[in-house]
Amino acid sequence: EAGVTQSPTHLIKTRGQQVTLRCSPISGHTSVYWYQQALGLGLQFLLWYDEGEERNRGNFPPRFSGRQFPNYSSELNVNALELEDSALYLCASNGGRGNQPQHFGDGTRLSIL
Amino acid sequence: AQSVSQHNHHVILSEAASLELGCNYSYGGTVNLFWYVQYPGQHLQLLLKYFSGDPLVKGIKGFEAEFIKSKFSFNLRKPSVQWSDTAEYFCAVNAGYTGGFKTIFGAGTRLFVKA
Repeated sequence: EAGVTQSPTHLIKTRGQQVTLRCSPISGHTSVYWYQQALGLGLQFLLWYDEGEERNRGNFPPRFSGRQFPNYSSELNVNALELEDSALYLCASNGGRGNQPQHFGDGTRLSIL
Repeated sequence: AQSVSQHNHHVILSEAASLELGCNYSYGGTVNLFWYVQYPGQHLQLLLKYFSGDPLVKGIKGFEAEFIKSKFSFNLRKPSVQWSDTAEYFCAVNAGYTGGFKTIFGAGTRLFVKA
């Protein structure tokens, strides 16, 4: 069984630019979660998508957005990048009940110069 | 606001020492509790989980955790650590709210086991 896959692995951007990160969940999983893991801050919840709908959102500004496609893959978009957006962005998936364990990808390391 | 606190950010132990990592949460309702582990160079993976029933939960690799509802705690334990347990450990709490569930992670504890 293929795990959660994320692309790209690494990304370098400058302030003000926009970025799109991608995630493919485990086959059969309908929910996708996005987290930001900044140094020393643990995992901060960003977004939860299930069946194509946004179910919940963390305490992040509107320039963080995303969507989920009919095949359950997902994109995370970040506009007007700021230096503090530098972090590891993790995607996780599960069967969609919301309270089940999550399966994580390897993440996308985003560096803002 | 809901929160998860992990008491130690860094722990250094020698092999065969006993381990206990603290986790406390703030939420008054029904919760599901998890410990995840991230070994060096690997992705986060589930170590163990508590949904209901016996509050002492056993996970992989000899780890266990005890849910103490009155203390809002879910501490992780292992009687004798190995060098291969060197990793970062995250406590997570999943709680219901209007419209669904929300999972909150602690800040993580980095464990280094000396051979």
